Amino acid sequence: SYELTQPPSLSVSPGQTARITCSGDALTNQRGNWYQQKPGQAPVVVIFKDTERPSGIPERISGSASGTIVTLTITAVQAGDEADYYCQSTDSSGTYVIFGGGTKLTVL
Amino acid sequence: EVQLVESGGGLVRPGGSLRLSCTASGFTFSDSWMHWVRQAPGKGLVWVSRISNDGRATRYAESVKGRFTISRDNAKNTLYLQMHSLRTDDTAVYYCAREGAGTDYSLDFWGQGALVTVSP
Repeated sequence: SYELTQPPSLSVSPGQTARITCSGDALTNQRGNWYQQKPGQAPVVVIFKDTERPSGIPERISGSASGTIVTLTITAVQAGDEADYYCQSTDSSGTYVIFGGGTKLTVL
Repeated sequence: EVQLVESGGGLVRPGGSLRLSCTASGFTFSDSWMHWVRQAPGKGLVWVSRISNDGRATRYAESVKGRFTISRDNAKNTLYLQMHSLRTDDTAVYYCAREGAGTDYSLDFWGQGALVTVSP
């Protein structure tokens, strides 16, 4: 079965940079998307197609990809960035959608 | 404004059935591929199913294949998820979501979710 692996948690201080990784074999030929989910709310897409940012998402949030890893980077982290972040992609054939296990970002 | 509103959630016994609906507005529903994603209490997001814009193509996660059926009525701007043989591990908030066109399966709008509780 196809999997996407994320670290379960990450803690950063305000003003610092948070980098969340997501690894999976199919990421070599499939692109990744990232979602932010705050408690009691539906997820919101923050990055799609590895690096593209939807309108309304601040430039502090960016995405990159290399080999089997996609990375979500949040610079100048603020208290309001505290949330769960999920990567998402598909298997190599584009048949099945999959989410990573999620990373809980804590702002110290 | 794009809106997705789920309904039909509730409490059901193991082995029972339930049908979720998702009513869409603010966009051309018949142009969009749609998904169901679920989230068990305190757990992560899990993809459930996907349907093409015309309803002819469907895909399911292995965990629900043969038990759940995704469908849509484009005349009513409504997406459905028919769930049979429900198990306690199907307990979750079920979200419907729109796949953004040309975004490599990115889900650009989500509903608020419908809670399904499977309990004896």
